[in-house]
Amino acid sequence: EPEVTQTPSHQVTQMGQEVILRCVPISNHLYFYWYRQILGQKVEFLVSFYNNEISEKSEIFDDQFSVERPDGSNFTLKIRSTKLEDSAMYFCASSADRGSGNEQFFGPGTRLTVL
Amino acid sequence: DAKTTQPTSMDCAEGRAANLPCNHSTISGNEYVYWYRQIHSQGPQYIIHGLKNNETNEMASLIITEDRKSSTLIRPHATLRDTAVYYCIVRVREGGGADGLTFGKGTHLIIQP
Repeated sequence: EPEVTQTPSHQVTQMGQEVILRCVPISNHLYFYWYRQILGQKVEFLVSFYNNEISEKSEIFDDQFSVERPDGSNFTLKIRSTKLEDSAMYFCASSADRGSGNEQFFGPGTRLTVL
Repeated sequence: DAKTTQPTSMDCAEGRAANLPCNHSTISGNEYVYWYRQIHSQGPQYIIHGLKNNETNEMASLIITEDRKSSTLIRPHATLRDTAVYYCIVRVREGGGADGLTFGKGTHLIIQP
């Protein structure tokens, strides 16, 4: 069964450093998403991406964040200068085209720890 | 998206049906009811969705009341692996599918051996 994959599973970084979280969405999906979940809190939407541009973003997704689909398979989230409060699980998700609705399939997540 | 209300936690005996309620009294005519779950430390997993008719798939059944103000997710013959947080989400199912999901706190379902 196709699945969303994410690397690395755990990333430790120093405050102020840049990090790139990587995702490989399901191959025939066209919509891509990033969410985060701070420990013990709700899953929060960050951004959605379609046709090589951002479709929607939340208030959390400020200028420190950017997304990119550098090739036909990867989808990345970059945090430019990490803060302690960026420590969280980051989930990538993808969904199929317009005709199939928007059931989203999530990856296993990357645990980001900012020291 | 319409607001949903779910119990914070529920217990269910292994092998029995787990019935998870959700209230969405302000749901609009074009909003669907979606259910996802999150097993500890994993990404959320889509379960099922519906508009007004009852729906069933290999994972669960979704019963939506006639006035659409509430629904129940039924996980038949629950196993220990069904212990998870279950989220009821109400949203418009646009053709574009680009909208982010708004997760609440969900119901923590604990399956007891």
